[in-house]
Formats: sequence, structure tokens, C-alpha cells
Amino acid sequence: EAGVAQSPRYKIIEKRQSVAFWCNPISGHATLYWYQQILGQGPKLLIQFQNNGVVDDSQLPKDRFSAERLKGVDSTLKIQPAKLEDSAVYLCASRPTVPRDRGSNEQFFGPGTRLTVL
Amino acid sequence: SQQGEEDPQALSIQEGENATMNCSYKTSINNLQWYRQNSGRGLVHLILIRSNEREKHSGRLRVTLDTSKKSSSLLITASRAADTASYFCATDRTGANNLFFGTGTRLTVIP
Repeated sequence: EAGVAQSPRYKIIEKRQSVAFWCNPISGHATLYWYQQILGQGPKLLIQFQNNGVVDDSQLPKDRFSAERLKGVDSTLKIQPAKLEDSAVYLCASRPTVPRDRGSNEQFFGPGTRLTVL
Repeated sequence: SQQGEEDPQALSIQEGENATMNCSYKTSINNLQWYRQNSGRGLVHLILIRSNEREKHSGRLRVTLDTSKKSSSLLITASRAADTASYFCATDRTGANNLFFGTGTRLTVIP
């Protein structure tokens, strides 16, 4: 099966500019996550979708970050305007509706988008 | 905030040696998972251990869990150069819908 797709892989912008990232999860995965991973740290959850609804966006800086999953399939994460501290890898992950390991919350990750804000 | 902390932060070993990484966490969990991240890539799930399990094996991987100490360890036996990566523990916290990742251990296996 195809994995989680993300684009672009790399993006360099200047502060105060806008940027958008795209994610296409594994087919049939109802749950989609966006994580921010700052260099040297573990991924930090930004937002979780179940189909096209938001389950958890408590860690999303809503003054500048937004995300949508309008049709419950692919998703877009936007930053407007970007700050220097937004430099990070943005990871998208999805989770199957029926996990292969009952009770598991195993997630499948895309390759990420590396954002550099100058 | 990060849920777990791994130690050591970095580990360098010779090929063929065993590598042990530790993870500590703070709250009650349903399960704990270990992921690997190669440089510039996404995370890959390695193994999951449930809160009622104490030890689990998968190939060259052995994971232990001590819920009384809120800690886990990942052992990679007979390491290979291809094992060079960052390893993260992630907790599936009771009552939460998502995973909380630790700070990671950077493993370098020298051929």
C-alpha cells in the first residue's frame, strides 16, 4: 500500500511570509495528525482530525496556524505569517480505522516537510 | 510538552554490539511504542508494548516496561550500520487520543 504523502519536502521562506503544506494519508485511514518537530526534539502534536472533524487542536497556535481536511481525505496545514521559531520539520501521520494490533494507536508517518524561516 | 524523556541523548557503538535506550514518562498509559527516524525521513513504528506487559520481542528488538517506575527500555542486539537513526518512545496516554513523544536517542553504529 502507498504510504503517507507530503509536499513539498523542503521550503525556505522569509519571516512574515505565508506557507502551506499538503498531506495525503494512507487510503482508508480516518485519523490524520500534523506534528511539528523542532531540531533535536521529538514530534509535538499540532492537530488531530477524525475524518473531516477536528479532535484535538489544543497545541495549535491558532493566531498563525490553520489546518483543514475538508473532504476527510487529504489535509493542508498553513502558517501565516511565519516566524523564525517556526523552522522545523512538519510531519503528517495517519492511523487506520481498524488497527492491525487491537488497541494500538500505531501511526504511519510521511517523510515530512522541512521548513526554514529566514 | 514532551511526555517522555530518553536517555542517553546520543549513543555510539561498534557494529555487532548491543544498544540499550531508556525512556521515562510521567502519566498512566495504555501502551508505549518505539519509533525509529532516519535522518531526513519520517518515523517508522518498531514495536508496541501494552501496560499489562513486561517484556516483548521482535526480531533483534527487545522492549521492557516497568509501569511502577514509569520507564521502558529498548534493546537492539547485534547492531548494524543500518540501525543508525534516532529512536523515540511514544506513550499512548490513558484518556488521550494521540501519542506523546519523547526527546529521542541518537544512535550511531560504526561499521
